[in-house]
Amino acid sequence: SQQGEEDPQALSIQEGENATMNCSYKTSINNLQWYRQNSGRGLVHLILIRSNEREKHSGRLRVTLDTSKKSSSLLITASRAADTASYFCATVHSGAGSYQLTFGKGTKLSVIP
Amino acid sequence: NAGVTQTPKFQVLKTGQSMTLQCAQDMNHEYMSWYRQDPGMGLRLIHYSVGAGITDQGEVPNGYNVSRSTTEDFPLRLLSAAPSQTSVYFCASTLTGASLMRGEKLFFGSGTQLSVL
Repeated sequence: SQQGEEDPQALSIQEGENATMNCSYKTSINNLQWYRQNSGRGLVHLILIRSNEREKHSGRLRVTLDTSKKSSSLLITASRAADTASYFCATVHSGAGSYQLTFGKGTKLSVIP
Repeated sequence: NAGVTQTPKFQVLKTGQSMTLQCAQDMNHEYMSWYRQDPGMGLRLIHYSVGAGITDQGEVPNGYNVSRSTTEDFPLRLLSAAPSQTSVYFCASTLTGASLMRGEKLFFGSGTQLSVL
């Protein structure tokens, strides 16, 4: 499987703190996306970073990509209780010859008010 | 604009029964896909389609059947349900397979929770 791996599997922080989640993958990628899933709901796209980018920002989100280490990180600054959710990275692999978005196992974030 | 609609939301089956999970999108997306989500396993791709009449296997296709007769609909069939198919199933779509490769996001339905006894 080319599935990515997030760590930690679970993260619990106080409101106002920053949350960092990491994703590692196995083969070369075209791009990497991060998704969020609230309990019992479908996934929602957060941010995309392309293989030629190293860092990207969107509001309180900061994503980095290190293709040499095959890893990415998602930073949520000044967390809120509403950020409580599971977060997944997803990759499209270059040269795969098929149209597949592969998801990691996710990090479950709990933000305590 | 409803987006991606999945039915039913919940289903309980007995081993050996068959059923079809429905997925419809109203965004004129050519690419549609089915994932299953199990605790600790993330989402795994079952089947996908890049257009009407075209389907392909994902990571875990065994025990599932798909067809794509229209752009809007992409049903997932379980011909003989097994307890190992107990899971939450998500349908997702995007513009095209090529746009997915370029980084276009997937739009997800709200899921079908399936239990096979």
